[in-house]
Amino acid sequence: NAGVTQTPKFQVLKTGQSMTLQCAQDMNHNSMYWYRQDPGMGLRLIYYSASEGTTDKGEVPNGYNVSRLNKREFSLRLESAAPSQTSVYFCASSATSGGANEQFFGPGTRLTVL
Amino acid sequence: QKEVEQDPGPLSVPEGAIVSLNCTYSNSAFQYFMWYRQYSRKGPELLMYTYSSGNKEDGRFTAQVDKSSKYISLFIRDSQPSDSATYLCAMSEDNYGQNFVFGPGTRLSVLP
Repeated sequence: NAGVTQTPKFQVLKTGQSMTLQCAQDMNHNSMYWYRQDPGMGLRLIYYSASEGTTDKGEVPNGYNVSRLNKREFSLRLESAAPSQTSVYFCASSATSGGANEQFFGPGTRLTVL
Repeated sequence: QKEVEQDPGPLSVPEGAIVSLNCTYSNSAFQYFMWYRQYSRKGPELLMYTYSSGNKEDGRFTAQVDKSSKYISLFIRDSQPSDSATYLCAMSEDNYGQNFVFGPGTRLSVLP
């Protein structure tokens, strides 16, 4: 039982390049989330998927797109990376979108955009 | 003013000390309060979860919520070097994950 896995662990991009961050969970959770973590800012929600087949914008969606590929997988795409997207990206999942709602986080992807 | 504020630290204490970590918030509608622990280069993990006001205890950890003052605290008794981590508070009006608001975290070092 691996929990939430993310790939890659580290990535360096040049401005304007694109990439996809992958996330998978093996806990049969309905909801999945993408956050970014910046110094002094706390975790900020980029996009979330309350259930398979649905996605919605969070607090900071500009410059990102997501795909909920199936119940297990939720990917985050940067179409044209900018230095402001340098951050640590965390994927999380939870069993429901309401009730006692513990989020389980992946280990993160450290992204640097030059 | 940020919605949730935390002293970023770092906070350094000797092993065995009682640690007090705090968050203040501005939204009086918050009802669900959480503390996460995040080790260096790892994802956050849920430590404590409280609904509304009052205290909750789990081993060496106690979470307190004072809604009248918009203030929450996490106390760690008999602190250990393994408690060295960043502690994030999070809160929500409705306990839907997409509505959680996270504080920036306080970095704690427990020195042997």
